[in-house]
Amino acid sequence: ETGVTQTPRHLVMGMTNKKSLKCEQHLGHNAMYWYKQSAKKPLELMFVYNFKEQTENNSVPSRFSPECPNSSHLFLHLHTLQPEDSALYLCASSFLSPSSGSPPGQYFGPGTRLTVT
Amino acid sequence: AQSVSQHNHHVILSEAASLELGCNYSYGGTVNLFWYVQYPGQHLQLLLKYFSGDPLVKGIKGFEAEFIKSKFSFNLRKPSVQWSDTAEYFCAVNGRRALTFGSGTRLQVQP
Repeated sequence: ETGVTQTPRHLVMGMTNKKSLKCEQHLGHNAMYWYKQSAKKPLELMFVYNFKEQTENNSVPSRFSPECPNSSHLFLHLHTLQPEDSALYLCASSFLSPSSGSPPGQYFGPGTRLTVT
Repeated sequence: AQSVSQHNHHVILSEAASLELGCNYSYGGTVNLFWYVQYPGQHLQLLLKYFSGDPLVKGIKGFEAEFIKSKFSFNLRKPSVQWSDTAEYFCAVNGRRALTFGSGTRLQVQP
């Protein structure tokens, strides 16, 4: 049990579908992240939420829409995706001190394996 | 902007061999460095981290890493690998608000 859970673990969707990925952390952290892990590419940071506010959007297409209703939950809403969006989507959390700009180690969830057909 | 290079993409070792995985970074601020491991079918786990102090950092499962500031390196080492160490290893450096990861090194340990 990592303290960060993600659902669903696997998702297959068509290009016209709308779906959502869910992440929940039970570690008392105040920052949450979405990463994309594609084959043979480095982990790509997508979004960062710090104290429920989005502080970073790494030039992610608008077909990905994050939502962070509180510091324990993070969603990634998906619509009109493309086949190249197929990847493992990882959620992570950490504790960010307001006085420190450097994140401590992040704790990752197991990921959602997304396949876009 | 920060970046991380892992030059070894795929490493194959026999059990009991020694391991060293290279990691070089670039970052203009105070550097925090991490190694993560991802076992087959499992999630990313923090192996060890360096924030400050002793540049030789010991992590879980017998791994250690040495921060060499002059070389911008943070290489991962283990004196004697086991079959169960077969996994993908990622080096990461802190960014302004999140981590930047290297492309990973796949380690295959043969029994």
